[in-house]
Amino acid sequence: QVQLQESGPGLVKPSETLSLTCAVSGYSISSDYYWDWMRQPPGKGLEWIGSIKYGGRTYYNPSLKSRVTISLDTSNNNFSVRLSSVTAADTAVYYCTRHKGELNWFDPWGQGTLVTVSS
Amino acid sequence: QSVLTQPPSVSAAPGQKVTISCSGTSFNIGNGYVSWYQQLPGAAPKLLIYENIKRPSGIPDRFSGSKSGTSATLDITGLQTGDEADYYCGTWDSSLTALIFGGGTKLAVL
Repeated sequence: QVQLQESGPGLVKPSETLSLTCAVSGYSISSDYYWDWMRQPPGKGLEWIGSIKYGGRTYYNPSLKSRVTISLDTSNNNFSVRLSSVTAADTAVYYCTRHKGELNWFDPWGQGTLVTVSS
Repeated sequence: QSVLTQPPSVSAAPGQKVTISCSGTSFNIGNGYVSWYQQLPGAAPKLLIYENIKRPSGIPDRFSGSKSGTSATLDITGLQTGDEADYYCGTWDSSLTALIFGGGTKLAVL
């Protein structure tokens, strides 16, 4: 059974960089799939942040592309997201998940972690 | 404003049927697969329907999906109070070059 678990600081100051890691168990991230980050501002809908393919190629939401970096750590079977120059608008629950190519469905999801941007 | 349009809320009585629509364009729904997600209060989204009509293992057949042209639909029959949740549709948009979601529909089982 594949499981994903997000971790990272729950509070980030404005203008700083948000960094989160997703630990994957039950599946090798270097085998297949695209590994994704999503976010959901409080009381709002889902937003795709970006993906990294098992070979390392990345795909980002154009609205966030200038600030986002997603990377793989195959030795520890996890992947990470960094979002720079954060503002209060980046306050959200951040989820990690995966999808398989052009089929574009996401399963499973991590439980999510709330990141608040505040001084 | 989401690219995919869903009704903000729907409601129905226990045991009844509800339909949630997801409207898009030829750049997204009209050109790819749609998936649906259920998000119970305080929980992470859960895959409900994939590739327009398929159900993952463990999802009851009370949940069904369909797609026609640039619109997709999620039907839920035999409503239960435990179905109260937010429901999201999602797909790829070739114009935006991004994975996108609808704004979500809150289901109330009255």
